[in-house]
Amino acid sequence: DVKVTQSSRYLVKRTGEKVFLECVQDMDHENMFWYRQDPGLGLRLIYFSYDVKMKEKGDIPEGYSVSREKKERFSLILESASTNQTSMYLCASSLPTGGSGGYTFGSGTRLTVV
Amino acid sequence: QKEVEQNSGPLSVPEGAIASLNCTYSDRGSQSFFWYRQYSGKSPELIMSIYSNGDKEDGRFTAQLNKASQYVSLLIRDSQPSDSATYLCAVNQAGTALIFGKGTTLSVSS
Repeated sequence: DVKVTQSSRYLVKRTGEKVFLECVQDMDHENMFWYRQDPGLGLRLIYFSYDVKMKEKGDIPEGYSVSREKKERFSLILESASTNQTSMYLCASSLPTGGSGGYTFGSGTRLTVV
Repeated sequence: QKEVEQNSGPLSVPEGAIASLNCTYSDRGSQSFFWYRQYSGKSPELIMSIYSNGDKEDGRFTAQLNKASQYVSLLIRDSQPSDSATYLCAVNQAGTALIFGKGTTLSVSS
């Protein structure tokens, strides 16, 4: 069964901490994405990557960075966590066109910053 | 700003009825269209994709696309309580990331 695995289901961090959210996919997908989902705001794209060592900013990249050193792994980094980054974070992957199969999502990480 | 609009709902239908979910998008260059289902506390799950004008059927689900009107819909026949969820519409052009609507909450009562 193909899957996208996010390392933590729930995470509580303190303001100012550096936070790493890990995502691994076993489908050999080129594309990987990080979204955050908030009530009333829907899914918003933070960063995405079309290949190893490549990254593109999404709609809300401020306060975040990413790393993609290997094809299967895409990490989201909160450089200095703030309370307004409390959210559900969703990782997804897809084939190059983003078409035929759409995205496969991980189970999500609910991050609380206190 | 490329946008995908959905009525937030809730859309309430009785068990066995047809549920109709609608979505409009602003980017005329959009080429791929998807419907995702998201149960409370879970991640989105792809249920339908459609790429050309017309209807596409898969079991109880039918996706309808009208590019001229920039309109996508999802019909769920014989709705079941287990269909109660939030349904997300998503669109993109080739080579770009999906843009999601905020979702429509469907409630099916038994």
